[in-house]
Amino acid sequence: RKEVEQDPGPFNVPEGATVAFNCTYSNSASQSFFWYRQDCRKEPKLLMSVYSSGNEDGRFTAQLNRASQYISLLIRDSKLSDSATYLCVVNMMESNFGNEKLTFGTGTRLTIIP
Amino acid sequence: GAVVSQHPSWVICKSGTSVKIECRSLDFQATTMFWYRQFPKQSLMLMATSNEGSKATYEQGVEKDKFLINHASLTLSTLTVTSAHPEDSSFYICSARGEGGYGYTFGSGTRLTVV
Repeated sequence: RKEVEQDPGPFNVPEGATVAFNCTYSNSASQSFFWYRQDCRKEPKLLMSVYSSGNEDGRFTAQLNRASQYISLLIRDSKLSDSATYLCVVNMMESNFGNEKLTFGTGTRLTIIP
Repeated sequence: GAVVSQHPSWVICKSGTSVKIECRSLDFQATTMFWYRQFPKQSLMLMATSNEGSKATYEQGVEKDKFLINHASLTLSTLTVTSAHPEDSSFYICSARGEGGYGYTFGSGTRLTVV
């Protein structure tokens, strides 16, 4: 089982629609959670952190369910500029070396259609 | 905000040659640097983690003698791909974390093509 699993898509969604992405992670010791956005041939950029209480940033809402080891991202009123690959990212402390390690999902590709 | 400058942004090299990629933290001290590799349509895979002044810790399956990492200062880390082969062609990205910092700052990536 992959450490972080996402539906690869692609999701082709009309402009203005609401779209939801899901992600599951396998390591219950994971400590922090993020959604990153990656445009084609670019580096990932932090979209938002994900908290157990759920958090919202404008049109974006992230949720975390630690019991189910499940993370979600909701995008409302989607814009053409939202077209990108969305990466679910989990951070955990490695017990052997004491290093923190980001583990990336394979990403979900989103295309917003005019 | 925190910025990591990564160079070169792209490089084409001949098989058998070595390529050095640099990542510099411009306005903070990067105590930890992460090096990732991303093949087309795949996720970022962590190759190694380096703490300033220490030897890098490599992930399973990553050859430390092939991918040389140097993190001699708090603002500079380098990845050298030695004796590159076509299968090493990939997108290499660094990510830096400062002491006591919460976030990870990514470089802009280096697209390596080995011909």
